Amino acid sequence: SQQGEEDPQALSIQEGENATMNCSYKTSINNLQWYRQNSGRGLVHLILIRSNEREKHSGRLRVTLDTSKKSSSLLITASRAADTASYFCATSPPGTYKYIFGTGTRLKVLA
Amino acid sequence: DTEVTQTPKHLVMGMTNKKSLKCEQHMGHRAMYWYKQKAKKPPELMFVYSYEKLSINESVPSRFSPECPNSSLLNLHLHALQPEDSALYLCASSPSRGGSEAFFGQGTRLTVV
Repeated sequence: SQQGEEDPQALSIQEGENATMNCSYKTSINNLQWYRQNSGRGLVHLILIRSNEREKHSGRLRVTLDTSKKSSSLLITASRAADTASYFCATSPPGTYKYIFGTGTRLKVLA
Repeated sequence: DTEVTQTPKHLVMGMTNKKSLKCEQHMGHRAMYWYKQKAKKPPELMFVYSYEKLSINESVPSRFSPECPNSSLLNLHLHALQPEDSALYLCASSPSRGGSEAFFGQGTRLTVV
């Protein structure tokens, strides 16, 4: 399977705390993306980091990428109850139309 | 318009029924996707259409039949499904090959009885 792994599988934190989730992938990539999914709904794109980038920020999100280790992390700072969702990393092997999703992290932010 | 619209939102069908899921986007995207997602699992790729031609079939059983009538529409025809096919079916589109942002619909929650 080309599917990546994410950890932790589930994470429960208090509002205001930071949440970190990690993704490991198997294939070479042009970029890595993070998506968010509220319960039982569609996925929403959060951020894309290219293979030649090491770190990227977008609002309260910070993504890092280590291509030598085939891993990425997503940090959500100052979390809010509304951040409660599942978070997936996704990669696309170069030259393909595939988006291959990691196993996901279920984040619960307690008010 | 940056939406991908899926209908219906919910569908209950018997194992002998024939039904179709529909997906529509008006962003001019030339790649469209069907994914299947079981509870607490990641989306699994089923089919990819590129420029209205089927480019990827991830060994999906023939009881699932995709169709791309034009560049804005994607259908998934369902026939003789099994209860284990119950899942959330997600449609997505992207401007080009994987590696750009994908836009997802809200999904069709399918229950096979």
